[in-house]
Amino acid sequence: GAVVSQHPSRVICKSGTSVKIECRSLDFQATTMFWYRQFPKQSLMLMATSNEGSKATYEQGVEKDKFLINHASLTLSTLTVTSAHPEDSSFYICSASSWEASKGDTQYFGPGTRLTVL
Amino acid sequence: GIQVEQSPPDLILQEGANSTLRCNFSDSVNNLQWFHQNPWGQLINLFYIPSGTKQNGRLSATTVATERYSLLYISSSQTTDSGVYFCAVMDSSYKLIFGSGTRLLVRP
Repeated sequence: GAVVSQHPSRVICKSGTSVKIECRSLDFQATTMFWYRQFPKQSLMLMATSNEGSKATYEQGVEKDKFLINHASLTLSTLTVTSAHPEDSSFYICSASSWEASKGDTQYFGPGTRLTVL
Repeated sequence: GIQVEQSPPDLILQEGANSTLRCNFSDSVNNLQWFHQNPWGQLINLFYIPSGTKQNGRLSATTVATERYSLLYISSSQTTDSGVYFCAVMDSSYKLIFGSGTRLLVRP
């Protein structure tokens, strides 16, 4: 159980275009979804937190107009990188959380999406 | 905010060797998890361990919350154990704060 999928796994796009990444919880309802960014050989940095049906909360330094997050249902969140530029190239990872009394707010991670902007 | 430090940053082992990875954190936490990130980038939950000791096969973990550290033990290492091991703690606003990771290479 607790499987999270991401699509696409890899995307290459031209500078100036927009890219949408989907994150789905396959076998549980995710009250909260998180989006992380990971540069090569670095740790994961939280970009934003989204709760179903409400606006995402962005971390300091993350442009909300550039990274649009929509959490339309308890199983789907999307991240859209608008007007992508080469410096947006990175590995984007989502996670999903549902309350389990025995585990608190354990987060389950998707496989990641590698974005390359040419 | 909470600081999470992991050591060592890099580790090279011969297959079959044992190792201990350490995670120190600067404040009390709600939750602590250990993850393995494989070479393809997938994060795999290893342990949810806010306190105490747990074991799963060749891996075990111990968290001493009062002293703000956690240890991950890998015994009889295999080449498939290679990757990056992250410790992450959950702060009071339920955000996961990741350490910088330990990059492990197990040689055959």
